[in-house]
Amino acid sequence: EVQLVESGGGLVQPGGSLRLSCAASGFPVSSNYMTWVRQTPGKGLECVSVIYSGGKTYYADSVKGRFTISRHDSENTLYLQMNSLRPEDTAVYYCARVWIGGYGGSMDDWGQGTLVTVSS
Amino acid sequence: DIQMTQSPSSLSASVGDRVTITCRASQRISSSLNWYQQKPGKAPKSLIYAASNLQSGVPSRFSGSGSGTDFTLTISNLQPEDFATYYCQQSYITPQWTFGQGTKVEIK
Repeated sequence: EVQLVESGGGLVQPGGSLRLSCAASGFPVSSNYMTWVRQTPGKGLECVSVIYSGGKTYYADSVKGRFTISRHDSENTLYLQMNSLRPEDTAVYYCARVWIGGYGGSMDDWGQGTLVTVSS
Repeated sequence: DIQMTQSPSSLSASVGDRVTITCRASQRISSSLNWYQQKPGKAPKSLIYAASNLQSGVPSRFSGSGSGTDFTLTISNLQPEDFATYYCQQSYITPQWTFGQGTKVEIK
């Protein structure tokens, strides 16, 4: 059974840092595209970062230069290091496995989400 | 980025109704369109991929259609467990995936 469990969210002051973790089971993170998607009431769902199975990474303009996606293959865990946090980064963050096909890809498996609140 | 626009933003319907949600892309995206269902406090769940393909385990009352710029999600014979928010997502440009703003299906 595929399972994704996020952790690491919390309250942080503007300018601070947090590292989110996503522990995967039932499949190898290293063999899949993985993504972090965040959700806010105002902006809806936003894909903020992707890591390809080959290790290439992608960042949305809104987080480029501040967030870093990585994975630890032996621990089968995905990470999102978030630095220089801003109030607008406040959101529920989900990790998801992306199934890649000829049509692009769909986010077939999701974690339960972890809340990040950036506030003084 | 490709912009995705859903309509309506919300709708009220009764159990047993047929419901249609529309999603429009700002440029042609072939059939690279996915649909998700989200219930309060839960993560989104994948329903349909590549515009019209049901994910395993999704009831057949859900269907998707369309290509190019215009897509629809139809729920026939609406059930109590279907009251949720539905999102479309384009996967035409990998990995610059974008979502619609959501359509909330409420009980009339």
